[in-house]
Amino acid sequence: GEDVEQSLFLSVREGDSSVINCTYTDSSSTYLYWYKQEPGAGLQLLTYIFSNMDMKQDQRLTVLLNKKDKHLSLRIADTQTGDSAIYFCAESRGPESGGSYIPTFGRGTSLIVHP
Amino acid sequence: GAGVSQTPSNKVTEKGKYVELRCDPISGHTALYWYRQSLGQGPEFLIYFQGTGAADDSGLPNDRFFAVRPEGSVSTLKIQRTERGDSAVYLCASSLIDGRPDNEQFFGPGTRLTVL
Repeated sequence: GEDVEQSLFLSVREGDSSVINCTYTDSSSTYLYWYKQEPGAGLQLLTYIFSNMDMKQDQRLTVLLNKKDKHLSLRIADTQTGDSAIYFCAESRGPESGGSYIPTFGRGTSLIVHP
Repeated sequence: GAGVSQTPSNKVTEKGKYVELRCDPISGHTALYWYRQSLGQGPEFLIYFQGTGAADDSGLPNDRFFAVRPEGSVSTLKIQRTERGDSAVYLCASSLIDGRPDNEQFFGPGTRLTVL
């Protein structure tokens, strides 16, 4: 199976909250990430969380990490049409776990925001 | 330049041909990464440079793929004897020092390679 799994699509109404979920398999993951990819634009890091944290908030974004279940989520409050994009979950290992911080990505979740 | 640039933006080639894809990282960034993104998939790591040397090339799928960064800035990804399965968007990213998240990787727009 894949190392990082995400549902492929999510549709929400403008103004509602969006929650994008991700599961991963590597118990040695050091960092967990959320990236955003818009059509015609490069991949952009939205936020990341260290594996010993369980929550991180950054303006409209809230990341929750359940390390026991290897589950990561991204909540976008007050979702806007400009948030429509593909959101990628990713994980990486640091050198202490035999890695070099190179992220392993999921297949991405297409978020569609409709008025 | 202001960001990571990649050329060409699109490349169409025939099966068996040789192609070169170029990446210009952000000035001063010592780390450079190549990824491949197939349709409907997330980016897949290929190779990571620290300066002129390949620090991690574990993602290169086979010996048809090779990358260089001779002066520690521009990098070229070279694919020999292209196959239809090589068709994908090839992404380049750079970061200031290394791959730690506090050294954010900035991605270029990608080169879309189509092998007929």
